This record gives sequence, C-alpha cells and structure tokens, in this order.
Amino acid sequence: DADVTQTPRNRITKTGKRIMLECSQTKGHDRMYWYRQDPGLGLRLIYYSFDVKDINKGEISDGYSVSRQAQAKFSLSLESAIPNQTALYFCATSDAWGNQPQHFGDGTRLSIL
Amino acid sequence: KQEVTQIPAALSVPEGENLVLNCSFTDSAIYNLQWFRQDPGKGLTSLLLIQSSQREQTSGRLNASLDKSSGRSTLYIAASQPGDSATYLCAVRLSNFGNEKLTFGTGTRLTIIP
Repeated sequence: DADVTQTPRNRITKTGKRIMLECSQTKGHDRMYWYRQDPGLGLRLIYYSFDVKDINKGEISDGYSVSRQAQAKFSLSLESAIPNQTALYFCATSDAWGNQPQHFGDGTRLSIL
Repeated sequence: KQEVTQIPAALSVPEGENLVLNCSFTDSAIYNLQWFRQDPGKGLTSLLLIQSSQREQTSGRLNASLDKSSGRSTLYIAASQPGDSATYLCAVRLSNFGNEKLTFGTGTRLTIIP
C-alpha cells in the first residue's frame, strides 16, 4: 500500500460545484501539504499543516480550504470550483523538522468544465 | 522572492551516456535542496536531499552537488538507462525557521534513447 494515498485519482466536474480531495498517510508524519501543478509553472503550495491544530496558507490559498481531521488525514476543498482550478493536485508529508524529503501521493487530476 | 530555474526543459540522450541536469536559484539562503523524479501519472519521488551545509550527495548512479554561493545545483546521472526517462524537478527550502515552503523548478524532461 502507498504511504500517501489520494482520492479520487481523477475528477471531472462543473463550474460552481463543491469538491473535496482527500489525502491519507501511513508514515506517521506530523506535517502535511497540498500542492497544485500546472504546466510551465511547477508545483505551488496551497496549504500546509504542522499538526491537527495548525493550518497555514501557502502561496495560492485563495479559493481553497483545508481540514486536518486527524494526524493521518488532510483534505482540500474547492467551495465553488472554477475552470482555472483545473490542475494536478498533490498531497505530501514530511517529518517534524523537514530535514527529510517530502513524500508525495500519486496526485489527483482535476478538470473543471 | 525565490525563483528556481531548470534548463533545458527537455533533454534526449543515448543510453549509456553520462548526463548533467542543472538547477539554479536566486536566493542563496536556503535550508536544503531536493531533487525529485516524476513519472507520468505518478507523484514525485525524492531522489536526493542536500542540506545547506553539504556540498554533495550520492545514491547509486546519481550524484547531486550544491554550490550555494553561485545559486546552483547539478544532478549527475551516470551510465543512463531507458528507465531513467522521467521529469526531474529540483526544489529549494528557505532557511527561515518554520518556513515550509518548497519552491520548485519547472523540471527537465529526460528521455533516454535505447
């Protein structure tokens, strides 16, 4: 089983719909992250969480919200999806000090029509 | 603002050749630098992580170097194989305590020709 699992892997939906992307991890890491990847722009950080009670905005948090339900679960929501949120979304985890590499899930390909 | 650049965007080399991928960054006050591999339809797999105090890291056929003063890192792949075909990304983390942000380059898409 994968250490970092994202669901769904693919999603096509319409403008204005609410969408939730889920991430769960078995690595026991405290820190979890949500990124989006767009062609030509690289990965950009949306939100990150140091632990269940600590949520922080990344560089592109507008239009997104997150929930850290447990140490192992971190979900990303698009309250009212718009086409320019079409992207590949990744969840990642790291240890408490960030001295070890971040571990990534396989991504969710999201298309907003 | 930290910017990370990877040139070239794409590279094709015959199998068996040694090759170097380049990564440059604008702010030398980094905490660490990571090299990742991304396969189509997959997430990122960490290859090597270099702390700011280190000059290089090695894993098998891979060797990554770091020159903070010049804002450069290289990933050297020896004796390339078709299985090395993937997109390679570098990412830097700033030194600010608690700053979790990784700034990624846009990657180099590597194709090894059998």
